[in-house]
Amino acid sequence: DSGVTQTPKHLITATGQRVTLRCSPRSGDLSVYWYQQSLDQGLQFLIQYYNGEERAKGNILERFSAQQFPDLHSELNLSSLELGDSALYFCASSRGLGDTQYFGPGTRLTVL
Amino acid sequence: AQSVSQHNHHVILSEAASLELGCNYSYGGTVNLFWYVQYPGQHLQLLLKYFSGDPLVKGIKGFEAEFIKSKFSFNLRKPSVQWSDTAEYFCAVNNDYKLSFGAGTTVTVRA
Repeated sequence: DSGVTQTPKHLITATGQRVTLRCSPRSGDLSVYWYQQSLDQGLQFLIQYYNGEERAKGNILERFSAQQFPDLHSELNLSSLELGDSALYFCASSRGLGDTQYFGPGTRLTVL
Repeated sequence: AQSVSQHNHHVILSEAASLELGCNYSYGGTVNLFWYVQYPGQHLQLLLKYFSGDPLVKGIKGFEAEFIKSKFSFNLRKPSVQWSDTAEYFCAVNNDYKLSFGAGTTVTVRA
């Protein structure tokens, strides 16, 4: 157990819908990262927050957004969902910028 | 853009055999290097990491990796694998605070 928690574990929804994925970092970690894992794209970095502020953006679609709250938990919002958004979404956290990242158990999103 | 290459897509071996997984990265600056393992149905777990110092790093479960700067490589090794090492292995490079992952190598250990 890495200490990073993610909810929900599984999510099944329909195309066009909007979902919110939640992540709580390890105690003391200020940085939160979101990654998408799919069979065709592999593991892709989406976005990073540090102490409430966005620090880096990767291959994140405009339909996706995220935020980190004052208590340091983070949410990833996915809207206008498409079939191709079906994937595992991992959250990771680290103590500071550039430190080792520890991963949560992931949320498996299925878009039907 | 930085990229990470893992040479083998799928490796099949018998218990007690030695394992070596190749990883090369394209970035020429200062990098931090990692190997993560993902057991079936589970999340990514850190096996080992290299930030600086001794280029031969030891991780958990008997794994080690060698950083060769001149070859831009960070190969993972284990002298004697067990059935429980069946998993997917990912090499990753940390640059600009985010991780770039290789495509992963699936390792199947036959009893």
